[in-house]
Amino acid sequence: EVQLVESGGGLVQPGGSLRLSCAASGFTFNNYAMSWVRQAPGKGLEWVSTISGSGGSTYYADSVKGRFTISRDNSKNTLYLQMNSLRAEDTAVYYCVRSRGVIMNSYYYYYYMDVWGIGTTVTVSS
Amino acid sequence: QSALTQAASVSGSPGQSITISCTGTSSDVGGSNYVSWYQQHPGKAPKLMIYDVSNRPSGVSNRFSGSKSGNTASLTISGLQAEDEADYYCSSYTSSSTPVVFGGGTKLTVL
Repeated sequence: EVQLVESGGGLVQPGGSLRLSCAASGFTFNNYAMSWVRQAPGKGLEWVSTISGSGGSTYYADSVKGRFTISRDNSKNTLYLQMNSLRAEDTAVYYCVRSRGVIMNSYYYYYYMDVWGIGTTVTVSS
Repeated sequence: QSALTQAASVSGSPGQSITISCTGTSSDVGGSNYVSWYQQHPGKAPKLMIYDVSNRPSGVSNRFSGSKSGNTASLTISGLQAEDEADYYCSSYTSSSTPVVFGGGTKLTVL
């Protein structure tokens, strides 16, 4: 069974840091790009970041660029999101997602997201 | 403000058909065959319902169909059932600086 399980969420103070993890199983992890998508309370979906299957290419939303770092360990079938300088507006459920698309000339041509984790909640508050 | 525009809500009675629209620009919906749709029940993760404008993943009911005309994509649900009540989001490739855009979501109520 194809499965994604996130962990690492919690309560953190503004300006703090948190690292999310996502354990993948049931598919050949390094064959797929992976993404993080978040959803603030009562709001819609927001794409956060994508990493290529090899980990050599990364992409970020403007709202997190310079503060968040996406990475992966293909030997452990695990995706990460390091979140620094957290703000109240980063409060959301964070979903780990298997992404379909191609990378050409360093640009990520996104197609769709076909497998979603159950999400982990991040709350930024003092 | 979301890059793709969706109506906030839509409703229909059991057995009826409804259509949810998703309007973008020539830089996203209009310039791409990579529009996807996601269903999200309260407290649950989103689920892929349509990809590449009109394709259904294995296991998704054929009551769900997708189409596109110009800068507007549409999701049609026929034979509405109570279990279809959920939020629906469109998403598209975009040639802008960020490669992925979502719509603001449409809440479907089955009366």
